[in-house]
Amino acid sequence: QKEVEQNSGPLSVPEGAIASLNCTYSDRVSQSFFWYRQYSGKSPELIMSIYSNGDKEDGRFTAQLNKASQYVSLLIRDSQPSDSATYLCAVNDQAGTALIFGKGTTLSVSS
Amino acid sequence: GAVVSQHPSRVICKSGTSVKIECRSLDFQATTMFWYRQFPKKSLMLMATSNEGSKATYEQGVEKDKFLINHASLTLSTLTVTSAHPEDSSFYICSARDLNRTGELFFGEGSRLTVL
Repeated sequence: QKEVEQNSGPLSVPEGAIASLNCTYSDRVSQSFFWYRQYSGKSPELIMSIYSNGDKEDGRFTAQLNKASQYVSLLIRDSQPSDSATYLCAVNDQAGTALIFGKGTTLSVSS
Repeated sequence: GAVVSQHPSRVICKSGTSVKIECRSLDFQATTMFWYRQFPKKSLMLMATSNEGSKATYEQGVEKDKFLINHASLTLSTLTVTSAHPEDSSFYICSARDLNRTGELFFGEGSRLTVL
């Protein structure tokens, strides 16, 4: 059974701080890793994708991947109240298959 | 990003009736679409993989006779919830992968089904 684990939170940070979201996965052959943001009552939207070890930065977001440790994280710099949402980690092992999602981490950014 | 449109966004029906949800890829062709279900404060659970021109592949525990999936064209997949019951009330979300974009999955807006 392929599993993706996330701390459900809530993770509370003040505005302007760095929010750190973590995810581990069980399937060593996983190749593609994604972070989605989901607002309440809405469908997920893609924030970041990462495929190789190391860091990938896009604006205020940085995804980090460590395949040896089966660990992927998302850092949000200068957190804003509008970043308050549930962040879903997703993994798949080969193109064409469905993504397996973690349960999501709820982030709350206070102003 | 790629656009996936889902309709209807909200539907309320009586127990025993059937409801059809449509999922369209608007600016790309999708040979494969995925149907997820999400209960309140829970994660997305994959229900089935919809393959254009062939039968859908259902996940363990999902009743194929209750959740009928049809993928008749490269841009349209439909999910029909047959003989709906209150426990079928949920948020149903379709998704599709644009093969020109490596691995990324794009989601429809979701359909909230309430069965009375």
